[in-house]
Amino acid sequence: DIVMTQSPDSLAVSLGERATINCKSSQSILYTSNNKNYLAWYQHKPGQPPKLLIYWASTRESGVPDRFSGSGSGTDFTLTISSLQAEDVAVYYCQHYYSTPYTFGQGTKLEIK
Amino acid sequence: EVQLVESGGGLVQPGGSLRLSCAASGFTFSSYWMHWVRQAPGKGLVWVSNINRDGSTTNYADSVKGRFTISRDNAKNTLYLQMNSLGAEDTAVYYCARPRGDGSGSWDVWGQGTTVTVSS
Repeated sequence: DIVMTQSPDSLAVSLGERATINCKSSQSILYTSNNKNYLAWYQHKPGQPPKLLIYWASTRESGVPDRFSGSGSGTDFTLTISSLQAEDVAVYYCQHYYSTPYTFGQGTKLEIK
Repeated sequence: EVQLVESGGGLVQPGGSLRLSCAASGFTFSSYWMHWVRQAPGKGLVWVSNINRDGSTTNYADSVKGRFTISRDNAKNTLYLQMNSLGAEDTAVYYCARPRGDGSGSWDVWGQGTTVTVSS
């Protein structure tokens, strides 16, 4: 199984500042036949279902603010929030969909400093 | 409106069974693989199972293999998860989720979740 490891486990950032969350997979999730990284990022708030932010590692889901961006390839990925807003407080998860079992990172709790 | 609505959760004794349902609306249900994902209290998200469009192919996490069965009824636009031999470790909020339609395994539509509590 592919293991997804996020860092840090928790993060406190001032409003308007940049937040960066890292995700590392135990093996490459780049599918060479289509040159796509099989990685997604989700935002999860208490009492709500997870919300898809980014897919194919760097494609922003429709309706997601452009302050959210994804980057990386192969085994190392990053979610960046360029200017933190109060409504961004949540737990963020990376998830691979390269092969079953699809696995998530352990989550990164993002708070306001 | 594209929507998924789970039902069937509740309190069950260890060793018991429960069947979850996920009613889909607002899209062509039979055109999508479907998934179950769960979150135990205070823990992260865990993929549980998926099923292909016609129900002929299923996959399971090792933790539920042999105990859980995923199925679907495309005529009723409904996804199911039959859960047997339940243990405390199965206590969680269970979500059904629909992947994007572009071959991506990322999930853009989620239900609100149904809570399963396994306790005596």
